Amino acid sequence: DAKTTQPPSMDCAEGRAANLPCNHSTISGNEYVYWYRQIHSQGPQYIIHGLKNNETNEMASLIITEDRKSSTLILPHATLRDTAVYYCIVRVASNTGKLIFGQGTTLQVKP
Amino acid sequence: EAQVTQNPRYLITVTGKKLTVTCSQNMNHEYMSWYRQDPGLGLRQIYYSMNVEVTDKGDVPEGYKVSRKEKRNFPLILESPSPNQTSLYFCASSARGAYNQPQHFGDGTRLSIL
Repeated sequence: DAKTTQPPSMDCAEGRAANLPCNHSTISGNEYVYWYRQIHSQGPQYIIHGLKNNETNEMASLIITEDRKSSTLILPHATLRDTAVYYCIVRVASNTGKLIFGQGTTLQVKP
Repeated sequence: EAQVTQNPRYLITVTGKKLTVTCSQNMNHEYMSWYRQDPGLGLRQIYYSMNVEVTDKGDVPEGYKVSRKEKRNFPLILESPSPNQTSLYFCASSARGAYNQPQHFGDGTRLSIL
């Protein structure tokens, strides 16, 4: 699976959009970009995933660049409950199902 | 409500005393997996199961056993626990084959082996 690079930490004001970047310059054509988050020591929570096109669901939007070497997770209106560690993961569709969580980005939403 | 349920949530025990951590999912998922999370090491896969009666080793299987007799349950067994198995454990499940399917995680089991 391709390696990802994320900033170790970010701050965001409550009510503002949080934009979390991820670099995955060695991504292959069949590798998906997944985002999970982990609040304190709870189980990781799936947020969104995509292959090429931008994706949106009730939680967030995922913007993938045309060359697929980077992506951005957007939380449109961050709340204090969005404070968590956010993980960007790229994985091949047909593997063991293993998810490789890197160090992630600690997002601190401030009042 | 769709969920992955782990029990117990917390356990303190002693070296060598066999223990089982249960995992159950109510989403009719075929794929299930166990991870452990340790500071600085992230989540590492212990075992996974693509379907009933089909299990395979992950990256760190030593000291663990699993079974998959029914689709909904995937227990993790520590036959002779040791202190290096003190960790935070997560069970996860996803739909058929984990292909392009998000994984749903349980709330975790914190094990302390003294």
